[in-house]
Amino acid sequence: GNSVTQMEGPVTLSEEAFLTINCTYTATGYPSLFWYVQYPGEGLQLLLKATKADDKGSNKGFEATYRKETTSFHLEKGSVQVSDSAVYFCALDRSAGGGNKLTFGTGTQLKVEL
Amino acid sequence: EAEVAQSPRYKITEKSQAVAFWCDPISGHATLYWYRQILGQGPELLVQFQDESVVDDSQLPKDRFSAERLKGVDSTLKIQPAELGDSAMYLCASSHPKNEQYFGPGTRLTVT
Repeated sequence: GNSVTQMEGPVTLSEEAFLTINCTYTATGYPSLFWYVQYPGEGLQLLLKATKADDKGSNKGFEATYRKETTSFHLEKGSVQVSDSAVYFCALDRSAGGGNKLTFGTGTQLKVEL
Repeated sequence: EAEVAQSPRYKITEKSQAVAFWCDPISGHATLYWYRQILGQGPELLVQFQDESVVDDSQLPKDRFSAERLKGVDSTLKIQPAELGDSAMYLCASSHPKNEQYFGPGTRLTVT
């Protein structure tokens, strides 16, 4: 079946450190892949997405590349800020034809300290 | 900026009681989703509407959960009777068909 596996958190970094949050997936075919972010007390927000192999999604300094050969979509940011502290969810669209049925990972909490 | 509205934000109820959550999607969004997010886990889809019709309720525990979207706009999710294991965040999202989902702030349910 379809599933998403994320690295466990919390991940604690100092401000301006480099961030990597690992995400791997199992799916039939080549699903669209997403990263969502959830700030405390808020709903999920789409951070970035990629719809086919080798695509790179990017937003607000975050990047992730769709790697078909390793079935991965790792999230990276070159220099994190305290305001990036949140829970990050990797997700895939398990429906055929982009029907928007999302399967989420368990989330990775990021804490950025001064 | 248009947002998905949910109420209440927090709900505490005793087990065996009935509880209901309300969601008002972004205007014009035909697709509406209800998710359950257990603490420490990712959201899990409970039910998906296209306009007023249910298109996927395969993960909805139908013996105690019900959802409706009578006029194809706002929606209500009900649990009756509530059980301790229902304690979770209930998220509503909406979208144009096959487009990005926009999430509301959620309703945090605690069953005692």
